[in-house]
Amino acid sequence: GQQLNQSPQSMFIQEGEDVSMNCTSSSIFNTWLWYKQDPGEGPVLLIALYKAGELTSNGRLTAQFGITRKDSFLNISASIPSDVGIYFCAGKKGGFGGGTSYGKLTFGQGTILTVHP
Amino acid sequence: DTEVTQTPKHLVMGMTNKKSLKCEQHMGHRAMYWYKQKAKKPPELMFVYSYEKLSINESVPSRFSPECPNSSLLNLHLHALQPEDSALYLCASSLVGRRNTEAFFGQGTRLTVV
Repeated sequence: GQQLNQSPQSMFIQEGEDVSMNCTSSSIFNTWLWYKQDPGEGPVLLIALYKAGELTSNGRLTAQFGITRKDSFLNISASIPSDVGIYFCAGKKGGFGGGTSYGKLTFGQGTILTVHP
Repeated sequence: DTEVTQTPKHLVMGMTNKKSLKCEQHMGHRAMYWYKQKAKKPPELMFVYSYEKLSINESVPSRFSPECPNSSLLNLHLHALQPEDSALYLCASSLVGRRNTEAFFGQGTRLTVV
């Protein structure tokens, strides 16, 4: 099935450093979502993006919806130990007229973030 | 309230057992989803329900049987599973629509098939 290319696959950083990760696709998405998942838990929604060019912040997190609608990035500033986890991007299609694609999220492979105190 | 509640949190079952996973949300969402997730991999979509009707089945084996008894509840009935079916099973819900329909996930059920 279709995949999103998420990079990097893993990051090892020191507490206080900034983090950047991104997702790219060969096709257009109408929604980009960023999730964080802790071990043994479900993904938690961090930021949702709905409009090309949109830049949205949530505390120390900032995400942007690419102008071409084929990419998105997530930045974390001043990382702290509790930022550790796996970060997933997810894209959703869903054009006019409904259809069956609206419910399907396409996930990136995830970025494993490790923060050293 | 953006909570999706899944029970049980952990389940161990034999290959001949029948069990069910349950999911509940009270956000008024009319789309509900089952995902399967292996360790360190992204979630994989299994089923989508829209207005209590099955709208997407991603070619899931018949040993997994979903059910949506009402707009707040989603079940996944399990029968004759294989050890490779061991995974984290995630339920999610969202509004139905073309846009602004972010999905909220439950905490998952960790299933082990022995």
